[in-house]
Amino acid sequence: QKEVEQDPGPLSVPEGAIVSLNCTYSNSAFQYFMWYRQYSRKGPELLMYTYSSGNKEDGRFTAQVDKSSKYISLFIRDSQPSDSATYLCAMSVLNQGGKLIFGQGTELSVKP
Amino acid sequence: GAVVSQHPSRVICKSGTSVKIECRSLDFQATTMFWYRQFPKKSLMLMATSNEGSKATYEQGVEKDKFLINHASLTLSTLTVTSAHPEDSSFYICSARDRLAGALSTDTQYFGPGTRLTVL
Repeated sequence: QKEVEQDPGPLSVPEGAIVSLNCTYSNSAFQYFMWYRQYSRKGPELLMYTYSSGNKEDGRFTAQVDKSSKYISLFIRDSQPSDSATYLCAMSVLNQGGKLIFGQGTELSVKP
Repeated sequence: GAVVSQHPSRVICKSGTSVKIECRSLDFQATTMFWYRQFPKKSLMLMATSNEGSKATYEQGVEKDKFLINHASLTLSTLTVTSAHPEDSSFYICSARDRLAGALSTDTQYFGPGTRLTVL
């Protein structure tokens, strides 16, 4: 079993839809959770990070962490074609040299 | 802020040659830089962790004599693919961790744009 599982998609939605991206994990020591967005042939871009259970909102993006269920989500409201990219969840154990464990990435396509 | 650059962005080389990729943190000092490899439609695979002034730590299965890493300063790390072969063709991405980041963000990594290596 991989430490971090993420549905690779692809996921296709119409413009304006609410998108839900999810990851599950098995290591209860993970304390730090991140979402990265990666456009084709580019490096990943940090979208959001959080270290506690609950919700964190930034514009159209909401990151949700449920440590009891070992489950994290990224919600995108009013999705736009420019949101079309691969979204990677990543997590780490604090004070372990900063090593990140990535999910497989979910490919999202938002159709106009 | 938190910009990481990589050079070159693309390189094509003949089998048997060595290729050097540079990773620079442009507006912050990075105590730690990471090198990843990514195959098409796959996630990032950590190759090694590079700390300024010390030897790199390689992940299991990564040949340290094949992938030489040097982290000579707080803003520069280099990855040299020695005696490259077609199977080394991939997208190589570096990331850097900000030395002055607060305690709760010490695991935030900022990624470079990547280098696409093609070995003929």
